[in-house]
Amino acid sequence: DAKTTQPPSMDCAEGRAANLPCNHSTISGNEYVYWYRQIHSQGPQYIIHGLKNNETNEMASLIITEDRKSSTLILPHATLRDTAVYYCIGRRSISSGSARQLTFGSGTQLTVLP
Amino acid sequence: DTEVTQTPKHLVMGMTNKKSLKCEQHMGHRAMYWYKQKAKKPPELMFVYSYEKLSINESVPSRFSPECPNSSLLNLHLHALQPEDSALYLCASSQGRGARTEAFFGQGTRLTVV
Repeated sequence: DAKTTQPPSMDCAEGRAANLPCNHSTISGNEYVYWYRQIHSQGPQYIIHGLKNNETNEMASLIITEDRKSSTLILPHATLRDTAVYYCIGRRSISSGSARQLTFGSGTQLTVLP
Repeated sequence: DTEVTQTPKHLVMGMTNKKSLKCEQHMGHRAMYWYKQKAKKPPELMFVYSYEKLSINESVPSRFSPECPNSSLLNLHLHALQPEDSALYLCASSQGRGARTEAFFGQGTRLTVV
């Protein structure tokens, strides 16, 4: 799975968009980009994933560059409850009958400020 | 039901004790995982079960013994642990194959070895 690089920490004002960058320059063609977050002392929570196209769900948007070497997770209107460590993970698609683990990097500590 | 349930939430055990951590999911997932997380560090993979068979053991010491009695349950048996094994132990599950490969995590068991 691709190595990912994220800034260790970021601040964002409440109500503003939070844009979390991730570099994955070694990502291969069949690797998805996954984003998870972990609120203090809780289990990681799935946010979104994508392969080539931009994706949006009720939690966030994922923008993947055309060359797929980087991506940005966007929380459109950050709230205090979005304060968490955000992990960007590269993961190959699951083939029949196998399981693919998630390998977590250091992540970005996002602090949403009132 | 998108929950992964871990019990107990907290556990304190002596170095000579034997205890077990339990994980349960009813999403029909056929891949289940154990992760260990130390304070201020990302989760680290310990074991992966795929279709009730152990598929990955990340060189975990034998004092940790996983067991998958059926497709809904995953146990982690603990024996003769050391204080440095104190950590948050996370269980996760995902579909064994197909497009929906995101993993769902439990809230973890906070283990303290005294």
